[in-house]
Amino acid sequence: KAGVTQTPRYLIKTRGQQVTLSCSPISGHRSVSWYQQTPGQGLQFLFEYFSETQRNKGNFPGRFSGRQFSNSRSEMNVSTLELGDSALYLCASRPSSGYTGELFFGEGSRLTVL
Amino acid sequence: KNEVEQSPQNLTAQEGEFITINCSYSVGISALHWLQQHPGGGIVSLFMLSSGKKKHGRLIATINIQEKHSSLHITASHPRDSAVYICAVRTGNQFYFGTGTSLTVIP
Repeated sequence: KAGVTQTPRYLIKTRGQQVTLSCSPISGHRSVSWYQQTPGQGLQFLFEYFSETQRNKGNFPGRFSGRQFSNSRSEMNVSTLELGDSALYLCASRPSSGYTGELFFGEGSRLTVL
Repeated sequence: KNEVEQSPQNLTAQEGEFITINCSYSVGISALHWLQQHPGGGIVSLFMLSSGKKKHGRLIATINIQEKHSSLHITASHPRDSAVYICAVRTGNQFYFGTGTSLTVIP
């Protein structure tokens, strides 16, 4: 069974641009969550989707948004990029809708904002 | 205020040693996760706990819900165990993460 796939793996943007990251979950997994990891703040929860609905959201500004499609693939978008948005963005999938269940992580998308 | 505290931050051990990493949290949780991250970024979920104890190979994870504390033990440590170990808790609609424990196992 294929794992969680994130694209692109690496990208460089400039301040003010926007970026879209993609996450394809493990087949059969319907829950996808997104995380930001930086050296200063560590791992932080961005949002979680299940069956195309955003269920939970972390403490990030509205520039960070996401969506989930009917095939469970998810995208996250960051608009008006700032230098501080440089980070590793990770997604994880779970099979269930509940609040428990093992997380399966992708390799991440490393974003550099210049 | 950190909802999740890990200790130690850094740990160096000789191959074969028994290792313990601790995690304390201050919120009510529905689940606690232990994660492993190798250089390069990829994260692997080691355990998900809501009570008791779990064992997988040389790794053991325990949780005490009343004391809001969890431990990750590695028996007979090996250089391939060198990684960052992260404790994460789920409160229902939020995830909180510890800052991680960087483990180096020397041959």
